[in-house]
Order: sequence, then structure tokens, then C-alpha cells
Amino acid sequence: DAGVIQSPRHEVTEMGQEVTLRCKPISGHNSLFWYRQTMMRGLELLIYFNNNVPIDDSGMPEDRFSAKMPNASFSTLKIQPSEPRDSAVYFCASSLLGTGQYFGPGTRLTVT
Amino acid sequence: QQQVKQSPQSLIVQKGGISIINCAYENTAFDYFPWYQQFPGKGPALLIAIRPDVSEKKEGRFTISFNKSAKQFSLHIMDSQPGDSATYFCAAGGSNYKLTFGKGTLLTVNP
Repeated sequence: DAGVIQSPRHEVTEMGQEVTLRCKPISGHNSLFWYRQTMMRGLELLIYFNNNVPIDDSGMPEDRFSAKMPNASFSTLKIQPSEPRDSAVYFCASSLLGTGQYFGPGTRLTVT
Repeated sequence: QQQVKQSPQSLIVQKGGISIINCAYENTAFDYFPWYQQFPGKGPALLIAIRPDVSEKKEGRFTISFNKSAKQFSLHIMDSQPGDSATYFCAAGGSNYKLTFGKGTLLTVNP
């Protein structure tokens, strides 16, 4: 079975540009989570969806960050405009409500 | 409080030894405690998880011990192998299905 799929795997962009990260959850999972991982702050939950509906976005750092889940098989995390401090690895994870979360391979974002 | 405290930050073990990583939590509403293993350049992978109705869960060489009264849980890796060298994260979650992660433990198993 395919796991969580994320694209792109690496993204290098200049400050001020828009960045869009994409995620395809595991088929049949009804919860989707976006995380950010840095050495300083570890793994931080940004936002999560249940049945395509955003439930908790309290971890989204600023209005520059937005996330959507238009259907059960696709989600995006957008940063506009991007800043150097947004450089991190962004993970998407999915789960069947109440069970373990399964992570994708991540997108390494570098903002110069 | 939502914090999960994990120790040690790093751990070096000889091949065949036992690796022990500890976590403590504060929120008594937590009822799901998974452990994740992460290799460099990869996403965290679910290793083993426990709920507070049992005090221990074992899967192969990996065991979670859970102490509800002390609000602590630990991961034991028996017969540690060089291939176990990775970063391990504990986490805790409640009815809202959010997970709060520990800061991670870098495990090195020397051959």
C-alpha cells in the first residue's frame, strides 16, 4: 500500500515568494495533520483536519500560512510570502481517527 | 499543560545492550502514547503505542512500560542493534487526536 505522499521533496525559494506544499494521505484515512520540524523547536503541529474540515489551526504561526483540504485525498499548505525563518522540514501525516498517525517523507523547505 | 518531557537527549549503547528512553507528561487527559522512530532524511515512523489500560506492551524487541500514577512511560529496546540507531520520539494524545511530541532522543548503537 502507498503511504502518505508529499511533494515536492525539496523546495528552495527566495524570500517573498509563495510556496505550496502538497500531500496525499493514505486512502481511507479521515484525519490529516501538517507538522513542521526544526532542530530548535522539534516537531510542531500546525493544523489538522477531520473529514476534510479544519479542526484546529492554533499551531499555524502566522497569517502567511494557510492550509486547505478540498477532498479526502489531497491537502495543501501554502506560505505567502515566505521568509527565511520558515526554513524547515514540513511533514504531512494521516490517520484513521483514534489510531496512529502515519507520516510522509517530508518536504525540506529552504528560503533564502 | 500539554508538554511531554523526554530524556535523555542522546544515548550511546553497545550492540546487544538495552536502550531505555523515558517520557513524562502532565495532562491527565492524555490516553494514547505512541513512540516514533526517525532515520535521517525520513519521516517519523510509528513504532509502538500503548493506552493507559495496560502497564506494558511488547512488540518484538521493543517494549513500552507505562506508569499511570507517575505519569511516565518508557521505551525499552532489547538486544539493541546498529540498525536501531535513529532518533526516537515519544508522544501523547487525547480525545482530540492531537499528538504532543517529546524533543527526541538520538540513539547510537555501537557495533
